[in-house]
Amino acid sequence: GENVEQHPSTLSVQEGDSAVIKCTYSDSASNYFPWYKQELGKGPQLIIDIRSNVGEKKDQRIAVTLNKTAKHFSLHITETQPEDSAVYFCAASWSNFGNEKLTFGTGTRLTIIP
Amino acid sequence: DGGITQSPKYLFRKEGQNVTLSCEQNLNHDAMYWYRQDPGQGLRLIYYSQIVNDFQKGDIAEGYSVSREKKESFPLTVTSAQKNPTAFYLCASSRQQGFEAFFGQGTRLTVV
Repeated sequence: GENVEQHPSTLSVQEGDSAVIKCTYSDSASNYFPWYKQELGKGPQLIIDIRSNVGEKKDQRIAVTLNKTAKHFSLHITETQPEDSAVYFCAASWSNFGNEKLTFGTGTRLTIIP
Repeated sequence: DGGITQSPKYLFRKEGQNVTLSCEQNLNHDAMYWYRQDPGQGLRLIYYSQIVNDFQKGDIAEGYSVSREKKESFPLTVTSAQKNPTAFYLCASSRQQGFEAFFGQGTRLTVV
């Protein structure tokens, strides 16, 4: 099955600086890579996603890049703000005889220092 | 408002008892999922369902059971066979697998 590794597990950045979170996946058949943000005591919320036919996608201060050859994808947050503090999860979706399942990374706790 | 609702938010159970967690969605989504979240770990898939009256085991199905009698409902039963049930449980739904999954607010289950 798919295995997703996520680094770092914790990340602290000064407000206004950029934050980068990296994930690698094992199954070359994976073709859908979402990123979720989870605030304390709440369910994860999708913030951006990318499919394997695209190398980069941007939405305001958030961007995701995908390198299919190396099997890794990254989340980039620019001009960080205190409300960006949360746990971020990457995920990869792979197909097995028509069934697709999301496999999640172990999460990155991002802290923005005012 | 469309969304996915889990209840209750907090649940306490005595050892040896079964307990059922509720998950309801009004997004008209076909696929629904149950995940377990433990500290320092990612979300692990317990069960998923692509259509009414059909469901498949995920990676950690032992000690859990589900039903999908209605499109909008996907309850999860944590049985006494689950050896370590204390965790945060998350329900999600999506239009179909491989598309954006919407999560509920979670149920924190504690075995006392």
